[in-house]
Amino acid sequence: EPEVTQTPSHQVTQMGQEVILRCVPISNHLYFYWYRQILGQKVEFLVSFYNNEISEKSEIFDDQFSVERPDGSNFTLKIRSTKLEDSAMYFCASRGQGNYGYTFGSGTRLTVV
Amino acid sequence: GNSVTQMEGPVTLSEEAFLTINCTYTATGYPSLFWYVQYPGEGLQLLLKATKADDKGSNKGFEATYRKETTSFHLEKGSVQVSDSAVYFCALGYNTDKLIFGTGTRLQVFP
Repeated sequence: EPEVTQTPSHQVTQMGQEVILRCVPISNHLYFYWYRQILGQKVEFLVSFYNNEISEKSEIFDDQFSVERPDGSNFTLKIRSTKLEDSAMYFCASRGQGNYGYTFGSGTRLTVV
Repeated sequence: GNSVTQMEGPVTLSEEAFLTINCTYTATGYPSLFWYVQYPGEGLQLLLKATKADDKGSNKGFEATYRKETTSFHLEKGSVQVSDSAVYFCALGYNTDKLIFGTGTRLQVFP
């Protein structure tokens, strides 16, 4: 079964450093998403991406965040200057047409120290 | 705005007990409804879905029926196993839009 692959599975970074979280969506999917889950809390939408541009973003997704699909296969989330409160599990998801094809990756746990 | 409300956990059951996890939603129009499961240390996995009113989603012995009249999508299983211990998330979504998740309900099943 096709999978969404995320790397790394766990990243520890110092406050103020830049991090890039990587995702390889399912190859024929068209819509790409990042969500995050702070420990013990609900899963929150960050951003959606379609046709090489952001289609929607949440209030969380401020100027410190950016997304990119640099080569047609990878989908990355960059945090320019990490804060302690960015510590969370970050999930990538992709889907094709229709409203029942979401596939999530297994997540990257980001720890900012 | 659109939202999902789940019963608070943890839900603690003995093996073979009947499970219900309540989920209600607030939404305009006709969203699709989902249950996702997160096993310890793992990511989100789609458990089941329903795309229109009165649809019943089912998978691995779990069921949920899309009830528009009560705006609910309660998750049920007739006989839980220890391996069902996980966090369960109810969610809603529209055609090409983001998913809106509930806060999750932790299920703990003891032998």
